[in-house]
Amino acid sequence: DAKTTQPTSMDCAEGRAANLPCNHSTISGNEYVYWYRQIHSQGPQYIIHGLKNNETNEMASLIITEDRKSSTLILPHATLRDTAVYYCIVRGDTGRRALTFGSGTRLQVQP
Amino acid sequence: DTEVTQTPKHLVMGMTNKKSLKCEQHMGHRAMYWYKQKAKKPPELMFVYSYEKLSINESVPSRFSPECPNSSLLNLHLHALQPEDSALYLCASSPGEGRYYGYTFGSGTRLTVV
Repeated sequence: DAKTTQPTSMDCAEGRAANLPCNHSTISGNEYVYWYRQIHSQGPQYIIHGLKNNETNEMASLIITEDRKSSTLILPHATLRDTAVYYCIVRGDTGRRALTFGSGTRLQVQP
Repeated sequence: DTEVTQTPKHLVMGMTNKKSLKCEQHMGHRAMYWYKQKAKKPPELMFVYSYEKLSINESVPSRFSPECPNSSLLNLHLHALQPEDSALYLCASSPGEGRYYGYTFGSGTRLTVV
């Protein structure tokens, strides 16, 4: 599975959009981009995933660049409850056959 | 039911004790996972079960013994643990092992070894 690079931490004002970047320059054609988050002392929560097209669900939007080397998770109207560690994970069918977490981005939503 | 349920939520055990962690899901998922998470670190994979058979063991010490009695239930048996094994133990499930599937995680068991 391709390696990902995320900023260690980010701040966002409550009510504003939170844009979390992820670099995955070695991604291959059959690898999906997944985003999970982990609120303090809870289990990780699935947010969204995509292959090449942009995706949107009730929680967030995922924007994947045309060359697929990077992506951005967008929380359109961040709330204090969105304060969490956000993990960007790339998964294919070769290499590790299970979800492998990197260090993630610690997002702090400020009132 | 869209949840993974882990019990107990908290466990304190001595180094000579034997205890078990339990994980249950009723979503019809055929893959189940154990992860270990130390403070301020990301979760680390321990074991994967697929269709009730052990698929991946990430070189976990034998004092951790997983068991999958049926497709809904996953246990982690603990024996002769060390204080450094204190951590949050997370269970997850997914419809299958493939890259298309998202995981559903439980809220974890916080284990303290004294």
